[in-house]
Amino acid sequence: GEDVEQSLFLSVREGDSSVINCTYTDSSSTYLYWYKQEPGAGLQLLTYIFSNMDMKQDQRLTVLLNKKDKHLSLRIADTQTGDSAIYFCAESSNRDDKIIFGKGTRLHILP
Amino acid sequence: ETGVTQSPTHLIKTRGQQVTLRCSSQSGHNTVSWYQQALGQGPQFIFQYYREEENGRGNFPPRFSGLQFPNYSSELNVNALELDDSALYLCASSTTGSSTEAFFGQGTRLTVV
Repeated sequence: GEDVEQSLFLSVREGDSSVINCTYTDSSSTYLYWYKQEPGAGLQLLTYIFSNMDMKQDQRLTVLLNKKDKHLSLRIADTQTGDSAIYFCAESSNRDDKIIFGKGTRLHILP
Repeated sequence: ETGVTQSPTHLIKTRGQQVTLRCSSQSGHNTVSWYQQALGQGPQFIFQYYREEENGRGNFPPRFSGLQFPNYSSELNVNALELDDSALYLCASSTTGSSTEAFFGQGTRLTVV
């Protein structure tokens, strides 16, 4: 079946890099996503990567995809207090438009 | 701001009651998907509407139903509310086949007591 797993918590010092990891099971995944959710807010799409790519960089964000191991990571360079949020890994396929989400990783920034 | 608006933002209902949640889609989007996000969990797909018809459904019972209107806005209806229905309900609008351009609303926080 379709499943997305990610660690629940990550603490990082301000200014360091944050790396959030995710694994997924659906071999027919077409798109892999990273969403951000701040307290009391909806979901904000941060970035996505097509399944035939292995890396995508967008300013402070770097996404790495290992399709063989079904492993996705999000690196946030120079982590700031405003990056404190829950980050959701997600995937979708060409079968339909539904997005399958992980349980989210809560990123805590230490001063 | 995504242009996707949901109403109400919060509401409290009693077990057994019925509730209707509303979503206005982003201009130019013809597809609306609904998700349930329980506390501490990721969003779970409920169903999707395209051209006023259900176009895919997740693992939710029939008491979860929906509508889509000609202007592409949508409603989620839940009958016979249960305590476990307490959650944040999110809608996302997109164009068909373009999940990478799905925009989420702020959600409706439903509490069932």
